Amino acid sequence: DAGITQSPRYKITETGRQVTLMCHQTWSHSYMFWYRQDLGHGLRLIYYSAAADITDKGEVPDGYVVSRSKTENFPLTLESATRSQTSVYFCASSEYRGNYEQYFGPGTRLTVT
Amino acid sequence: SQQGEEDPQALSIQEGENATMNCSYKTSINNLQWYRQNSGRGLVHLILIRSNEREKHSGRLRVTLDTSKKSSSLLITASRAADTASYFCATEQTGTASKLTFGTGTRLQVTL
Repeated sequence: DAGITQSPRYKITETGRQVTLMCHQTWSHSYMFWYRQDLGHGLRLIYYSAAADITDKGEVPDGYVVSRSKTENFPLTLESATRSQTSVYFCASSEYRGNYEQYFGPGTRLTVT
Repeated sequence: SQQGEEDPQALSIQEGENATMNCSYKTSINNLQWYRQNSGRGLVHLILIRSNEREKHSGRLRVTLDTSKKSSSLLITASRAADTASYFCATEQTGTASKLTFGTGTRLQVTL
């Protein structure tokens, strides 16, 4: 029972490169989320998805792209990485709409040089 | 925009003592949740309290919610060294089902 996994766990990339962070959950949860965690800001929502092929912006979506062709996968792509996107990225899932907890992956630490 | 703000930012106590963390928020909510994050790990859900509830217990955890003051508190009784972690409150604002807004967290250090 793997739950929710993220890959890679650590990534170093150069400014301007495209990078994709993967998220996979085994519960068939409808909702999936991407957050970034930075010192002094807590967690901020980047994008979320209510179901396959349904995605919407969160608080800080600029510079990121998501897709959800399958319920279990929710990749996050940085189309042209910038230093300000150096952060720890967390994926999460939730079973139902509203009033339910979210389950978090272990995170991906991304450094953009 | 930051919805939840935790207080204090850092808290250091000895094992066996109680730890109290507070969270304030700005807009009306469906629920408020508390999460724990151990260093280098993902967040783990602790407890959820709905807007029509005033108090909730789970093991050594006690959460209160005062919607008139837009505030919540998390009490951890008889703290253990294993409780050392960062604790975050998160609010699901009214009209934003399933989307959570997190505070900046309280770092709790429990020493032997």
